[in-house]
Amino acid sequence: EVQLVESGGGLVQPGGSLRLSCVASEFTFSSHWIHWVRQVPGKGLVWVSSIENDGRTTAYAESVEGRFSISRDDAKKTLYLQMNSLRVDDTAVYYCWHPGGDHWGQGSLVIVSS
Amino acid sequence: QAVVTQESSLTVSPGGTVTLTCGSNTGPVTSGHYPYWLQQKPGQAPRTLIYDISDKHSWTPARFSGSLLGGKAALTLSGAQPEDEAEYYCLISSGGLVFGGGTKLTVL
Repeated sequence: EVQLVESGGGLVQPGGSLRLSCVASEFTFSSHWIHWVRQVPGKGLVWVSSIENDGRTTAYAESVEGRFSISRDDAKKTLYLQMNSLRVDDTAVYYCWHPGGDHWGQGSLVIVSS
Repeated sequence: QAVVTQESSLTVSPGGTVTLTCGSNTGPVTSGHYPYWLQQKPGQAPRTLIYDISDKHSWTPARFSGSLLGGKAALTLSGAQPEDEAEYYCLISSGGLVFGGGTKLTVL
């Protein structure tokens, strides 16, 4: 079964850092843009960041620009989201999303709180 | 980035037809925005029903269709089923990706 498995979420204090990982299995990971999307429980979906299949072109939502960094390792079929200078309003469930075949991670909860 | 607007909630009768719309404050939604429609049920990750205006995945029920209508992207559900009750999100490409706020669809 095709899967995207996320890890790295948790509780962190404001100003702290976390790195999310998203590991893919059983599909061609390298052929598409891949995205991070977040969702505050009970609220809507919000785009966070994207990376092109070449790994060189990236894009960020204004709210995370300069604090978050997206990267990918196609040999490991892994997508990363390095999150620095975390704020309380970054608290959300973070999903990785591979539109080719519409693969979604299970979601990784990030809580930023003192 | 654009602001994408959707109806906050809609109700449809079982077997009925409903159209959800997706507009942008920057102007008409066009093919260049590559509009998507995603469905999310409570406790689940989203899944894409429609991409690039009207293309469907293999799992997309035939009763769902996508189009451009009056400067907006539209998702039409014809023959609503109880299992279609969910939150529906529009997504467009406009200086990055932008989700709409979601439409809560009730089948009642």
